[in-house]
Amino acid sequence: QKEVEQNSGPLSVPEGAIASLNCTYSDRGSQSFFWYRQYSGKSPELIMFIYSNGDKEDGRFTAQLNKASQYVSLLIRDSQPSDSATYLCAVNMAHSGGYNKLIFGAGTRLAVHP
Amino acid sequence: GAGVSQSPSNKVTEKGKDVELRCDPISGHTALYWYRQRLGQGLEFLIYFQGNSAPDKSGLPSDRFSAERTGESVSTLTIQRTQQEDSAVYLCASSFDGPARSEKLFFGSGTQLSVL
Repeated sequence: QKEVEQNSGPLSVPEGAIASLNCTYSDRGSQSFFWYRQYSGKSPELIMFIYSNGDKEDGRFTAQLNKASQYVSLLIRDSQPSDSATYLCAVNMAHSGGYNKLIFGAGTRLAVHP
Repeated sequence: GAGVSQSPSNKVTEKGKDVELRCDPISGHTALYWYRQRLGQGLEFLIYFQGNSAPDKSGLPSDRFSAERTGESVSTLTIQRTQQEDSAVYLCASSFDGPARSEKLFFGSGTQLSVL
């Protein structure tokens, strides 16, 4: 089992619809969860982070975390063509040195069509 | 500078040569990561430095790969006897990690490595 799993997509949604991106993780001790967006040929950029169970909203983006199910998701409301990118889920994993390192999923490619 | 700086931005080398990639993290950031990203693929964890702790080298794909970091400053990733499958973008990122959880990463622009 991979440490962080995402559906590679592509996920295709019409403009104005809600895009739902999902991620599962293997380490029950994880406490930090991030969503990064990566446009083609660019470096990843952080769009959301969540530490507690439940929902966290920021503009058109909502991150949802369910630690019992080891599941984190990202909802994008009113999707725009400019949201077309690869979305990377990142989760912290225990490190033997006492700290936690950040592991990424393979990413889900989102395509928003007009 | 204010961000994570990587050099060179592009590197073309011949198979069998050694290459050295450099990362200058944001000042004060204790954690530094190296990731590899092949074309159309996700981020592959290579190595993680955290303060003065022993680095986590569990992601290095072979003994041809090594990395060093002096304190909480510059890091270099060295690939010896490069192979064509080493061609990828090598991304460096830094953050101010706490002991119990990771903080948000700031990425450099990456080094595009092409092995001919």
